[in-house]
Amino acid sequence: LAKTTQPISMDSYEGQEVNITCSHNNIATNDYITWYQQFPSQGPRFIIQGYKTKVTNEVASLFIPADRKSSTLSLPRVSLSDTAVYYCLVGGSYNAGNMLTFGGGTRLMVKP
Amino acid sequence: DAGVIQSPRHEVTEMGQEVTLRCKPISGHNSLFWYRQTMMRGLELLIYFNNNVPIDDSGMPEDRFSAKMPNASFSTLKIQPSEPRDSAVYFCASSLSAVSYEQYFGPGTRLTVT
Repeated sequence: LAKTTQPISMDSYEGQEVNITCSHNNIATNDYITWYQQFPSQGPRFIIQGYKTKVTNEVASLFIPADRKSSTLSLPRVSLSDTAVYYCLVGGSYNAGNMLTFGGGTRLMVKP
Repeated sequence: DAGVIQSPRHEVTEMGQEVTLRCKPISGHNSLFWYRQTMMRGLELLIYFNNNVPIDDSGMPEDRFSAKMPNASFSTLKIQPSEPRDSAVYFCASSLSAVSYEQYFGPGTRLTVT
């Protein structure tokens, strides 16, 4: 099971771009990278998933270098409502149980 | 769709009592997951089902915990007897399949055992 390492916390200001990097040095060939967001008193919410290069959706972008040993979640022009905990998960496609380990996450605080 | 539904939202009970948490997954989803979240241990997977069958229960902490999924639209997590260290928020999540990474979480049940 690939272990992930991400910063415990980050601060930003409204309107800035925020990049949260996750390290996963022992990622396996079949592993995908998935990010979740959790607001206080709510369950986590899926944000984005990728395997390599770049993935973009209406919420965020995910950058994955060629060696796949890290990934960066990019949130463009954050607002106060983006204050949340962001989790990086890595796991294989053949068994969902491989990727269901939520680490400590990164607590993002967006300030006015 | 109403999303994943959990009940009750809050439960306060005394040590030694039986606690039953309930979950209704999103219609059409074939996989269901139970998690527990505490400040100390973060978010932990307890058990997950695929097509109503328990696939991995290695996260269930003790024999006091049991989970069932009698049909595709209902699951329970039972703690008997409950202990103060079981106090946590319990989340249920569902996904289209066990290989789908997009899980939909319910609002959680906040359990307090005194």
